[in-house]
Amino acid sequence: SQTIHQWPATLVQPVGSPLSLECTVEGTSNPNLYWYRQAAGRGLQLLFYSVGIGQISSEVPQNLSASRPQDRQFILSSKKLLLSDSGFYLCAWSKGSLYGTEAFFGQGTRLTVV
Amino acid sequence: GQQLNQSPQSMFIQEGEDVSMNCTSSSIFNTWLWYKQEPGEGPVLLIALYKAGELTSNGRLTAQFGITRKDSFLNISASIPSDVGIYFCAGQTQTGANNLFFGTGTRLTVIP
Repeated sequence: SQTIHQWPATLVQPVGSPLSLECTVEGTSNPNLYWYRQAAGRGLQLLFYSVGIGQISSEVPQNLSASRPQDRQFILSSKKLLLSDSGFYLCAWSKGSLYGTEAFFGQGTRLTVV
Repeated sequence: GQQLNQSPQSMFIQEGEDVSMNCTSSSIFNTWLWYKQEPGEGPVLLIALYKAGELTSNGRLTAQFGITRKDSFLNISASIPSDVGIYFCAGQTQTGANNLFFGTGTRLTVIP
């Protein structure tokens, strides 16, 4: 069966520090990978998605970047964090089919920038 | 991105009551998904719908893909305290990695 791992679970970082969140998927190949951000009590905002190694699409301009160095690894980064980068970050994967796409989420990372 | 209007935004119900929430869009979707998110966790997929008019159940949960393909509803029967959480709808307009859009969520509180 497929599993998705995301770490760390919580992170407190000072303003201006770098960020690296990692996500890996097991049990499938060539998945679509996503990074979402969720503000407190709000919906999900798609930040990046990737359909293959080295292929990254950004949905919103921001202080963050993403990379996919391996088929099942997706990394969210920042060179210098801002206070506004605080939030709940979710990694997800999907495998498109003839019928549609079901996305499966990791446990999330709670990032607090202080 | 696409706008999915999910209602109600929040619900407070007594244990044992039935719950109904829905999601509407101005665009046609070819897939509807319903998720539940508990505090501090990622959303968990509850039900996936692929055909207009499709009615699918998962235990006490029932969801339907609207016949117009622009809406979907989720019902929970005989609610229990562990049903507490935020329920999200999601819809896909066409195949492709960037075409899955989420509603703003319905926060459900069950009073024992």
